[in-house]
Amino acid sequence: DTEVTQTPKHLVMGMTNKKSLKCEQHMGHRAMYWYKQKAKKPPELMFVYSYEKLSINESVPSRFSPECPNSSLLNLHLHALQPEDSALYLCASSQDGAGWEKLFFGSGTQLSVL
Amino acid sequence: GESVGLHLPTLSVQEGDNSIINCAYSNSASDYFIWYKQESGKGPQFIIDIRSNMDKRQGQRVTVLLNKTVKHLSLQIAATQPGDSAVYFCAENFPVGGFKTIFGAGTRLFVKA
Repeated sequence: DTEVTQTPKHLVMGMTNKKSLKCEQHMGHRAMYWYKQKAKKPPELMFVYSYEKLSINESVPSRFSPECPNSSLLNLHLHALQPEDSALYLCASSQDGAGWEKLFFGSGTQLSVL
Repeated sequence: GESVGLHLPTLSVQEGDNSIINCAYSNSASDYFIWYKQESGKGPQFIIDIRSNMDKRQGQRVTVLLNKTVKHLSLQIAATQPGDSAVYFCAENFPVGGFKTIFGAGTRLFVKA
């Protein structure tokens, strides 16, 4: 199984809502990532988890809260988002985050904030 | 009018021709480079990688060249096919606390049948 599964595929939320994005992989990978991608732009790194510990936070606003409950699961909790947060949110995984590793991406969650 | 940055650089090639996509990277400490392909509605997909101790690596129909002197990468696709139409991103990987993979701007490849 070389898949990274993200749910939901599409999400529309108001600025006062709380929602969560979910990501799952069963490749035995120990590093997991959240990226944000605006239309016609490259993916931008948000968070990196390695062995279930947060190792990189790219100064992401606190309205985005990541969680790694176990080595197969990664969540992104959303609260009080702004319309400019509308984007494709991509989850990825890799062997263990120790470098020289390709990333395996899910198909993303397309988020619209109204 | 149009704003700079709203449109990806675009390369249009005839089916069967070779394609060359170029990328400049930014960090001298980067020691691993990857090309990804992103089709509409999908996440980026790995194509080929190269470490900084190499200057060329070949895969099936694809070749990556690395010039560390000028911090430049290129992706060559031989005998380009309609299925190669996608956005191509180079990415650099460098240590800072953990390891970061940072993507370049991307190039849209159109293959004309």
